Amino acid sequence: EAQVTQNPRYLITVTGKKLTVTCSQNMNHEYMSWYRQDPGLGLRQIYYSMNVEVTDKGDVPEGYKVSRKEKRNFPLILESPSPNQTSLYFCASSLSWGDTEAFFGQGTRLTVV
Amino acid sequence: GNSVTQMEGPVTLSEEAFLTINCTYTATGYPSLFWYVQYPGEGLQLLLKATKADDKGSNKGFEATYRKETTSFHLEKGSVQVSDSAVYFCALSDQQGNTPLVFGKGTRLSVIA
Repeated sequence: EAQVTQNPRYLITVTGKKLTVTCSQNMNHEYMSWYRQDPGLGLRQIYYSMNVEVTDKGDVPEGYKVSRKEKRNFPLILESPSPNQTSLYFCASSLSWGDTEAFFGQGTRLTVV
Repeated sequence: GNSVTQMEGPVTLSEEAFLTINCTYTATGYPSLFWYVQYPGEGLQLLLKATKADDKGSNKGFEATYRKETTSFHLEKGSVQVSDSAVYFCALSDQQGNTPLVFGKGTRLSVIA
């Protein structure tokens, strides 16, 4: 089954404790992205990648890192999480960004206390 | 840059009512346009799309027509059901594939029996 898998689905952590949210897709997609979803702000892009070893900042990259060492995986790293990073995070993948469909993971609800 | 504006929610309708969710966009060139739907507790999934002017996308009784003259892509459904309760996102993509999807802020729809 074609899918994008994120882990964990839920996470509560403390300020400053490094964490990684994993994202994996099994569709051999070139393009992957991370978004955060906040009430009243909709979906905002954090980082994206057009290929292995190619990443770029989205609209809200501060406080986040990503890596793309292999095509299927695109982890999101919070080196020192802060409460303002409490949010719902989504990973997405697609063949391209033209007229093709983007596939989304189930989401990761992160709470930083 | 590219942007999408969609009507603020929440929208509450009775079952079998007519639905319109407005979406307008700003973009250079001729973007592809999408509607994504997010059911409770899930990630986003593609509902419909249109890739050129006057195209009509349709799926599950929903329709939207790409109107270049008014830069709009309004979502409509003739008779909503309780199962249509979700958050709906309008989005656009540069057809050259140079940039990722840009989303509107989302419109929450609640349908009551």
